[in-house]
Amino acid sequence: DAMVIQNPRYQVTQFGKPVTLSCSQTLNHNVMYWYQQKSSQAPKLLFHYYDKDFNNEADTPDNFQSRRPNTSFCFLDIRSPGLGDAAMYLCATSSSRGRGSYNEQFFGPGTRLTVL
Amino acid sequence: LAKTTQPISMDSYEGQEVNITCSHNNIATNDYITWYQQFPSQGPRFIIQGYKTKVTNEVASLFIPADRKSSTLSLPRVSLSDTAVYYCLVAMDSNYQLIWGAGTKLIIKP
Repeated sequence: DAMVIQNPRYQVTQFGKPVTLSCSQTLNHNVMYWYQQKSSQAPKLLFHYYDKDFNNEADTPDNFQSRRPNTSFCFLDIRSPGLGDAAMYLCATSSSRGRGSYNEQFFGPGTRLTVL
Repeated sequence: LAKTTQPISMDSYEGQEVNITCSHNNIATNDYITWYQQFPSQGPRFIIQGYKTKVTNEVASLFIPADRKSSTLSLPRVSLSDTAVYYCLVAMDSNYQLIWGAGTKLIIKP
């Protein structure tokens, strides 16, 4: 089945130690998103790629970076994790009808990040 | 500032129809509305998407009045497995901002 895969499902890191989360998709969607979701809150969009074009949300801290080497893979790098970065990180994909008109998003299961 | 507002929680019983309303007063002409369902420790799952009037699929209906300032997700004959958080999302066509509601925690009782 076509799907969005996130690895690892659980990640533990130390305060200040860089960490990378990965996402892959078999849907061949051109748009990929990274969200942060904290307990009892809605997902918060960090950034998204439209093809290779990177679109950063205005309030996403510089501590969060992303790479998309090809259509199928996308990575979230947290350069110096703080305690406040502990959260579920969700990857999603969608196809697009054109710039600014994106179809439904398909989410992965998420990676739960713990910062010690 | 664009915002979507939905009730924090709702209760209902098995077999009942549940309606969850989201308000999005600043919606623009080309923006569209999507609803997602999320279970604990899982990613959100698409339920339904609409632009105006009524959309129906195999799991839900979405009602959008003419002014489009609100939308109502309707779940027919709910079961215990429909207990989840439901999110309303408005995708703004002009600048591709995604405005998520805070989510409605729906609890279905036997």
